[in-house]
Amino acid sequence: AQKITQTQPGMFVQEKEAVTLDCTYDTSDQSYGLFWYKQPSSGEMIFLIYQGSYDEQNATEGRYSLNFQKARKSANLVISASQLGDSAMYFCAMREGSRAAGNKLTFGGGTRVLVKP
Amino acid sequence: NAGVMQNPRHLVRRRGQEARLRCSPVKGHSHVYWYRQLPEEGLKFMVYLQKENIIDESGMPKERFSAEFPKEGPSILRIQQVVRGDSAAYFCASSIAGQGNSPLHFGNGTRLTVT
Repeated sequence: AQKITQTQPGMFVQEKEAVTLDCTYDTSDQSYGLFWYKQPSSGEMIFLIYQGSYDEQNATEGRYSLNFQKARKSANLVISASQLGDSAMYFCAMREGSRAAGNKLTFGGGTRVLVKP
Repeated sequence: NAGVMQNPRHLVRRRGQEARLRCSPVKGHSHVYWYRQLPEEGLKFMVYLQKENIIDESGMPKERFSAEFPKEGPSILRIQQVVRGDSAAYFCASSIAGQGNSPLHFGNGTRLTVT
């Protein structure tokens, strides 16, 4: 069974500083995908970044980067130069490797980030 | 291009009534996924549908919940005889193919409140 763990329920970060959000996962699949989504207070789910299990390079998208450590089964999100608009819930999610599962995702419990001016 | 469209955005139902949640996937997408989010929790998978077929309904409660994705028209998540515990945000997502590197893009969700 898939499992995603986000151990930080909430954190504060000073504006313009970097913040790392932890995510560990458990799977027996060799092929899988890892995603991070942002959910602001307005409620929508915004895709941030994706890492495939066979990707050798860590994914980056603008101020977002994913610190992928396969042996440790971790996929931490790093947000650089935090902005006030980064205040939101952040969810880590994993897609199963089997084709039958399609794009079915398993989500972690989320980390609430509050950026202080 | 329009993204995934869900309506209504907010839905209030009394206990015992029926709730119908609609999801129009991205144009050209034939795979739809429904998720439920309880307050202060992550999203939980409910059902995966392809046009006219239910592929995986392992996350659906056994009773009162049903989903369809007809050949024409939006996908519908139907909850019969709603109870207070059904109050949640329901998200729909779509993809063009069964699997790939492309992320799931979600609609803005329907927030169901059962009074």
